[in-house]
Amino acid sequence: EPEVTQTPSHQVTQMGQEVILRCVPISNHLYFYWYRQILGQKVEFLVSFYNNEISEKSEIFDDQFSVERPDGSNFTLKIRSTKLEDSAMYFCASSTGTEVSPLHFGNGTRLTVT
Amino acid sequence: GDSVTQMEGPVTLSEEAFLTINCTYTATGYPSLFWYVQYPGEGLQLLLKATKADDKGSNKGFEATYRKETTSFHLEKGSVQVSDSAVYFCALFMEYGNKLVFGAGTILRVKS
Repeated sequence: EPEVTQTPSHQVTQMGQEVILRCVPISNHLYFYWYRQILGQKVEFLVSFYNNEISEKSEIFDDQFSVERPDGSNFTLKIRSTKLEDSAMYFCASSTGTEVSPLHFGNGTRLTVT
Repeated sequence: GDSVTQMEGPVTLSEEAFLTINCTYTATGYPSLFWYVQYPGEGLQLLLKATKADDKGSNKGFEATYRKETTSFHLEKGSVQVSDSAVYFCALFMEYGNKLVFGAGTILRVKS
């Protein structure tokens, strides 16, 4: 069964550094998402992306965050200047976008900001 | 806005016990409803779904029925196993919002 793959599985970075989290969505999917889960807390929506542009973003997704689909397969989340509170598990997801289509999630990237 | 409320955990059960995890939702329209499961150290996996009122989703012995009158989607399993220990997330999807909204998650621990 096709999978969403994310790399790296764990990223450690220093406060103020830029990080790029990478995702390869399922190949025939059209909608792409980033969610995050701070340890022990709920899964929070960050951003959705369709047709090469952001379709919706949450208040968490401020100017420090950006997303890009640089080629036909990758979908990236960039955090320009990381803060301690950005430490979380970041999940990428994709879907076909049909009304009843579930989101398929990757295994996540654990980001630790020191 | 749209939201999902789940019963707080952790829920601790003995093997072969009956499981219910309550989930209720608030939405302005008619969402699709999902249960996702997160095993330790892993990502989110779709467990089951229901797309309209009175639909029953089922998978791996788990069931949930979409109840519009009570805005609920409770997860049940007749006989849990140790391998069911995980975090369970109830979620809704509204087409206009084009995103999943998750509940807070419920930790399930099954003892042998």
